[in-house]
Amino acid sequence: DAGITQSPRYKITETGRQVTLMCHQTWSHSYMFWYRQDLGHGLRLIYYSAAADITDKGEVPDGYVVSRSKTENFPLTLESATRSQTSVYFCASSESLYGYTFGSGTRLTVV
Amino acid sequence: AQSVAQPEDQVNVAEGNPLTVKCTYSVSGNPYLFWYVQYPNRGLQFLLKYITGDNLVKGSYGFEAEFNKSQTSFHLKKPSALVSDSALYFCAVRALNRDDKIIFGKGTRLHILP
Repeated sequence: DAGITQSPRYKITETGRQVTLMCHQTWSHSYMFWYRQDLGHGLRLIYYSAAADITDKGEVPDGYVVSRSKTENFPLTLESATRSQTSVYFCASSESLYGYTFGSGTRLTVV
Repeated sequence: AQSVAQPEDQVNVAEGNPLTVKCTYSVSGNPYLFWYVQYPNRGLQFLLKYITGDNLVKGSYGFEAEFNKSQTSFHLKKPSALVSDSALYFCAVRALNRDDKIIFGKGTRLHILP
């Protein structure tokens, strides 16, 4: 099915563990984005990518790593999870100037 | 730097009444403006956008928004609210001549009271 999918939908992990959130889109959109959503902060951009092998930092990149070896995939890795990274994470993609399409989100809890 | 402000954390409206969710922006040059809606446990869904042309933009689910350049505002409106409109609404902006990052406001929670 065409679209943008995130996995897992829910994840609980322990402090200090590495965890990877997956994002896959089927449209071959050039741009992909990772946001986190927290109460009182709205959506904050973590990282984005303009094309395969091109990534750049957003507003809150510390503690996160991304890669984009293929156009359709944009995984987000928390190298050593902290409680402050408990959040809902959204992936989005875009081909044009006219807005983003969002995935359904991953709810991550770090205990 | 570009920014978006949604001055109200929450808006309460009685069903059947008109609703307005406010948004102001700051951007260098001409803006692209967007509204997104988020229902519980869902991702953001596109509602409408302003790129150029008519200042009144019509979108999904009967929503519309008015672009006001002099007031740098892009308020979301609907003539008659439905209980099903209850959700979290995000205003967003990007500058015309910059890269493709969109900046989002913090969101306004809309409660439609039966």
